[in-house]
Amino acid sequence: QKEVEQDPGPLSVPEGAIVSLNCTYSNSAFQYFMWYRQYSRKGPELLMYTYSSGNKEDGRFTAQVDKSSKYISLFIRDSQPSDSATYLCAMRRGATNKLIFGTGTLLAVQP
Amino acid sequence: DSGVTQTPKHLITATGQRVTLRCSPRSGDLSVYWYQQSLDQGLQFLIQYYNGEERAKGNILERFSAQQFPDLHSELNLSSLELGDSALYFCASSAGTPSYEQYFGPGTRLTVT
Repeated sequence: QKEVEQDPGPLSVPEGAIVSLNCTYSNSAFQYFMWYRQYSRKGPELLMYTYSSGNKEDGRFTAQVDKSSKYISLFIRDSQPSDSATYLCAMRRGATNKLIFGTGTLLAVQP
Repeated sequence: DSGVTQTPKHLITATGQRVTLRCSPRSGDLSVYWYQQSLDQGLQFLIQYYNGEERAKGNILERFSAQQFPDLHSELNLSSLELGDSALYFCASSAGTPSYEQYFGPGTRLTVT
Protein backbone atom coordinates (compact mmCIF):
# COMPACT_ATOMS: atom_id res chain seq x y z
CA GLN A 1 0.00 0.00 0.00
CA LYS A 2 1.32 3.44 -0.90
CA GLU A 3 1.83 5.99 1.88
CA VAL A 4 -0.21 8.54 -0.07
CA GLU A 5 -3.20 7.68 -2.22
CA GLN A 6 -4.73 10.01 -4.77
CA ASP A 7 -7.44 9.38 -7.34
CA PRO A 8 -5.76 9.83 -10.74
CA GLY A 9 -8.95 11.02 -12.44
CA PRO A 10 -9.31 12.39 -15.01
CA LEU A 11 -11.79 14.83 -13.55
CA SER A 12 -13.75 16.94 -16.03
CA VAL A 13 -15.87 19.87 -14.84
CA PRO A 14 -17.58 22.85 -16.49
CA GLU A 15 -16.14 26.31 -16.07
CA GLY A 16 -17.32 27.93 -12.83
CA ALA A 17 -17.75 24.64 -10.95
CA ILE A 18 -16.36 23.93 -7.52
CA VAL A 19 -13.65 21.30 -7.70
CA SER A 20 -12.73 18.99 -4.85
CA LEU A 21 -9.44 17.11 -4.96
CA ASN A 22 -8.47 14.67 -2.24
CA CYS A 23 -5.66 12.55 -0.86
CA THR A 24 -5.51 9.99 1.90
CA TYR A 25 -2.40 8.91 3.71
CA SER A 26 -1.35 6.20 6.10
CA ASN A 27 1.59 7.69 8.03
CA SER A 28 0.33 9.59 11.07
CA ALA A 29 3.76 11.25 11.42
CA PHE A 30 3.11 13.55 8.46
CA GLN A 31 2.85 17.15 9.65
CA TYR A 32 3.28 19.31 6.55
CA PHE A 33 0.84 19.05 3.68
CA MET A 34 1.20 20.66 0.28
CA TRP A 35 -0.60 20.92 -3.02
CA TYR A 36 1.32 21.33 -6.25
CA ARG A 37 -0.04 22.11 -9.69
CA GLN A 38 1.70 20.69 -12.75
CA TYR A 39 0.89 21.83 -16.24
CA SER A 40 1.71 19.52 -19.11
CA ARG A 41 5.44 19.35 -19.82
CA LYS A 42 6.25 21.65 -16.89
CA GLY A 43 7.63 21.21 -13.40
CA PRO A 44 5.30 21.18 -10.38
CA GLU A 45 4.60 24.54 -8.75
CA LEU A 46 3.60 24.96 -5.13
CA LEU A 47 0.01 26.11 -4.69
CA MET A 48 -0.58 25.85 -0.98
CA TYR A 49 0.81 24.33 2.16
CA THR A 50 -0.67 23.70 5.60
CA TYR A 51 0.87 22.62 8.85
CA SER A 52 -1.01 20.05 10.92
CA SER A 53 -4.80 20.22 10.83
CA GLY A 54 -7.11 22.99 9.73
CA ASN A 55 -8.04 25.10 6.74
CA LYS A 56 -6.12 27.59 4.69
CA GLU A 57 -7.56 29.85 2.02
CA ASP A 58 -5.78 31.66 -0.79
CA GLY A 59 -8.02 33.34 -3.33
CA ARG A 60 -10.07 30.67 -5.08
CA PHE A 61 -8.15 27.85 -3.40
CA THR A 62 -8.84 26.29 0.00
CA ALA A 63 -6.76 23.52 1.54
CA GLN A 64 -8.12 21.36 4.33
CA VAL A 65 -6.34 18.85 6.51
CA ASP A 66 -8.10 16.32 8.72
CA LYS A 67 -5.38 14.45 10.59
CA SER A 68 -7.84 12.31 12.52
CA SER A 69 -9.08 10.85 9.23
CA LYS A 70 -5.69 11.11 7.47
CA TYR A 71 -7.39 13.01 4.68
CA ILE A 72 -6.50 16.23 2.88
CA SER A 73 -8.47 18.21 0.34
CA LEU A 74 -8.02 21.06 -2.10
CA PHE A 75 -11.07 23.03 -3.19
CA ILE A 76 -11.06 25.28 -6.22
CA ARG A 77 -13.93 27.76 -6.48
CA ASP A 78 -15.11 29.29 -9.74
CA SER A 79 -12.85 26.96 -11.72
CA GLN A 80 -11.33 28.31 -14.92
CA PRO A 81 -9.98 26.58 -18.04
CA SER A 82 -6.54 27.80 -16.93
CA ASP A 83 -6.90 25.55 -13.87
CA SER A 84 -6.67 22.52 -16.16
CA ALA A 85 -3.59 20.67 -14.94
CA THR A 86 -2.47 17.77 -12.79
CA TYR A 87 -2.77 18.43 -9.07
CA LEU A 88 -0.33 16.64 -6.78
CA CYS A 89 -0.64 16.38 -3.04
CA ALA A 90 2.59 16.07 -1.06
CA MET A 91 3.45 15.65 2.57
CA ARG A 92 6.38 15.22 4.91
CA ARG A 93 7.30 14.62 8.51
CA GLY A 94 8.58 17.41 10.70
CA ALA A 95 12.35 17.44 10.39
CA THR A 96 12.81 15.66 7.11
CA ASN A 97 13.20 17.04 3.61
CA LYS A 98 11.70 14.02 1.93
CA LEU A 99 8.40 14.90 0.27
CA ILE A 100 6.02 12.03 -0.43
CA PHE A 101 3.82 12.79 -3.41
CA GLY A 102 0.49 11.41 -4.49
CA THR A 103 0.29 10.23 -8.08
CA GLY A 104 -1.70 13.32 -9.09
CA THR A 105 -5.23 14.03 -10.31
CA LEU A 106 -5.68 15.26 -13.87
CA LEU A 107 -8.26 18.06 -13.95
CA ALA A 108 -9.89 19.43 -17.09
CA VAL A 109 -12.09 22.52 -16.82
CA GLN A 110 -14.31 22.79 -19.88
CA PRO A 111 -15.16 26.31 -21.16
CA ASP B 1 9.47 30.59 -14.40
CA SER B 2 10.69 29.17 -11.07
CA GLY B 3 14.28 30.32 -11.49
CA VAL B 4 15.57 26.73 -11.44
CA THR B 5 17.25 25.68 -14.67
CA GLN B 6 17.89 22.17 -15.93
CA THR B 7 19.83 20.91 -18.89
CA PRO B 8 19.36 19.19 -21.21
CA LYS B 9 15.60 19.29 -21.82
CA HIS B 10 15.59 15.98 -23.62
CA LEU B 11 18.05 13.11 -23.66
CA ILE B 12 17.85 9.94 -25.72
CA THR B 13 20.40 7.25 -25.05
CA ALA B 14 20.87 3.51 -25.21
CA THR B 15 20.78 0.88 -22.50
CA GLY B 16 24.03 0.49 -20.63
CA GLN B 17 25.09 4.08 -21.20
CA ARG B 18 25.81 6.83 -18.66
CA VAL B 19 24.33 10.33 -18.65
CA THR B 20 24.68 13.46 -16.56
CA LEU B 21 21.81 15.80 -15.80
CA ARG B 22 22.54 19.31 -14.63
CA CYS B 23 20.64 21.67 -12.36
CA SER B 24 21.19 25.28 -11.32
CA PRO B 25 19.14 26.32 -8.28
CA ARG B 26 17.42 29.66 -7.79
CA SER B 27 19.76 32.44 -6.83
CA GLY B 28 20.47 32.20 -3.11
CA ASP B 29 19.01 28.73 -2.61
CA LEU B 30 21.34 26.33 -0.84
CA SER B 31 19.29 23.14 -1.09
CA VAL B 32 18.90 21.06 -4.22
CA TYR B 33 16.56 18.09 -4.56
CA TRP B 34 16.31 15.50 -7.31
CA TYR B 35 13.08 13.71 -8.22
CA GLN B 36 12.11 11.08 -10.75
CA GLN B 37 8.63 11.14 -12.30
CA SER B 38 7.32 8.13 -14.18
CA LEU B 39 3.80 7.17 -15.18
CA ASP B 40 3.62 4.16 -12.90
CA GLN B 41 5.50 5.49 -9.84
CA GLY B 42 4.57 9.15 -9.84
CA LEU B 43 7.00 11.72 -8.42
CA GLN B 44 9.68 10.04 -6.31
CA PHE B 45 12.26 11.80 -4.18
CA LEU B 46 15.79 10.69 -4.98
CA ILE B 47 18.28 12.77 -3.02
CA GLN B 48 18.88 16.18 -1.43
CA TYR B 49 22.03 18.28 -1.06
CA TYR B 50 22.46 21.28 1.14
CA ASN B 51 25.42 23.60 0.60
CA GLY B 52 27.47 20.82 -0.92
CA GLU B 53 26.62 18.06 1.52
CA GLU B 54 24.19 15.19 1.14
CA ARG B 55 21.25 15.72 3.52
CA ALA B 56 18.59 13.18 2.67
CA LYS B 57 18.29 10.11 0.54
CA GLY B 58 15.18 8.59 -0.94
CA ASN B 59 14.61 5.82 -3.43
CA ILE B 60 17.82 6.36 -5.34
CA LEU B 61 19.36 3.38 -7.08
CA GLU B 62 23.02 2.51 -6.54
CA ARG B 63 23.57 3.13 -10.27
CA PHE B 64 22.62 6.76 -9.67
CA SER B 65 24.73 9.35 -7.91
CA ALA B 66 24.62 13.08 -7.40
CA GLN B 67 26.77 15.90 -6.17
CA GLN B 68 26.51 19.60 -5.48
CA PHE B 69 29.40 21.83 -6.43
CA PRO B 70 30.80 24.91 -4.66
CA ASP B 71 28.83 27.19 -6.99
CA LEU B 72 25.72 25.26 -5.78
CA HIS B 73 24.80 23.72 -9.10
CA SER B 74 24.13 20.02 -8.95
CA GLU B 75 24.56 17.05 -11.25
CA LEU B 76 22.73 13.74 -11.27
CA ASN B 77 24.68 10.90 -12.82
CA LEU B 78 22.80 7.87 -14.12
CA SER B 79 24.86 4.87 -15.21
CA SER B 80 24.26 1.39 -16.65
CA LEU B 81 20.96 2.73 -17.91
CA GLU B 82 17.99 0.43 -18.25
CA LEU B 83 14.74 0.87 -20.16
CA GLY B 84 12.95 1.42 -16.85
CA ASP B 85 15.04 4.50 -16.15
CA SER B 86 13.13 6.37 -18.84
CA ALA B 87 11.35 9.14 -16.97
CA LEU B 88 11.21 12.84 -16.25
CA TYR B 89 13.90 13.99 -13.84
CA PHE B 90 13.19 17.14 -11.89
CA CYS B 91 15.46 19.26 -9.83
CA ALA B 92 14.04 21.52 -7.13
CA SER B 93 15.64 24.05 -4.84
CA SER B 94 14.84 25.77 -1.59
CA ALA B 95 16.44 28.41 0.55
CA GLY B 96 16.99 26.34 3.65
CA THR B 97 16.48 22.91 5.08
CA PRO B 98 14.04 21.53 5.91
CA SER B 99 11.73 23.49 3.69
CA TYR B 100 8.22 22.92 2.42
CA GLU B 101 8.66 25.46 -0.35
CA GLN B 102 10.58 23.68 -3.05
CA TYR B 103 10.78 25.33 -6.46
CA PHE B 104 10.91 22.90 -9.36
CA GLY B 105 12.78 23.22 -12.61
CA PRO B 106 11.28 22.32 -16.01
CA GLY B 107 12.73 18.81 -15.93
CA THR B 108 14.86 16.62 -18.17
CA ARG B 109 13.05 13.96 -20.17
CA LEU B 110 15.25 10.87 -20.41
CA THR B 111 14.45 8.18 -22.94
CA VAL B 112 16.47 4.97 -22.82
CA THR B 113 16.17 2.83 -25.96
